[in-house]
Amino acid sequence: EAGVAQSPRYKIIEKRQSVAFWCNPISGHATLYWYQQILGQGPKLLIQFQNNGVVDDSQLPKDRFSAERLKGVDSTLKIQPAKLEDSAVYLCASSLGEPGINIQYFGAGTRLSVL
Amino acid sequence: KQEVTQIPAALSVPEGENLVLNCSFTDSAIYNLQWFRQDPGKGLTSLLLIQSSQREQTSGRLNASLDKSSGRSTLYIAASQPGDSATYLCAVFTGGGNKLTFGTGTQLKVEL
Repeated sequence: EAGVAQSPRYKIIEKRQSVAFWCNPISGHATLYWYQQILGQGPKLLIQFQNNGVVDDSQLPKDRFSAERLKGVDSTLKIQPAKLEDSAVYLCASSLGEPGINIQYFGAGTRLSVL
Repeated sequence: KQEVTQIPAALSVPEGENLVLNCSFTDSAIYNLQWFRQDPGKGLTSLLLIQSSQREQTSGRLNASLDKSSGRSTLYIAASQPGDSATYLCAVFTGGGNKLTFGTGTQLKVEL
């Protein structure tokens, strides 16, 4: 089966510019996650969707970050305006979203450099 | 707030050596614990998942143990190979079983 697809793989922007990342989860997966992984750290959950509704966005910097999942499939994560500290790898993951244990499958990530 | 720590942060060993990676978590009320592997420029690959009722899981040369009461897990790699070189992350499931909190990772290098 196809895995989680993310694009672009790399993005370089200047501070105060805007950027958007795209994620296509595994077909049939109801839950979608966006993580931020700063160099040398573990991934940190930014937002979790169940279908097209937000389950958890407690660690999303809402003054500059936004995310949407239209039609409960693809998702986009946007940063506007970007800051130097936003430089990181942004990982998307998906899971079935059923009761009980839900294994998360990760995409390759988008590496963002803010200059 | 759950915090997950991994020691050591980096490890370099000669090929063939057995090694142990450590993971500790502050809140023992976890559902499950999962070990991942991350290769440079790639996403995370799940290695082992231990349910809260289990004490260990094995897959090939990998063995993971879980001690919930002490807030610790270990990943044992037997007969290490250069292909094992990667960053290893542990993560605990909380919040109804679907929220993952990751550790800081251990960067492993296995040398010829």
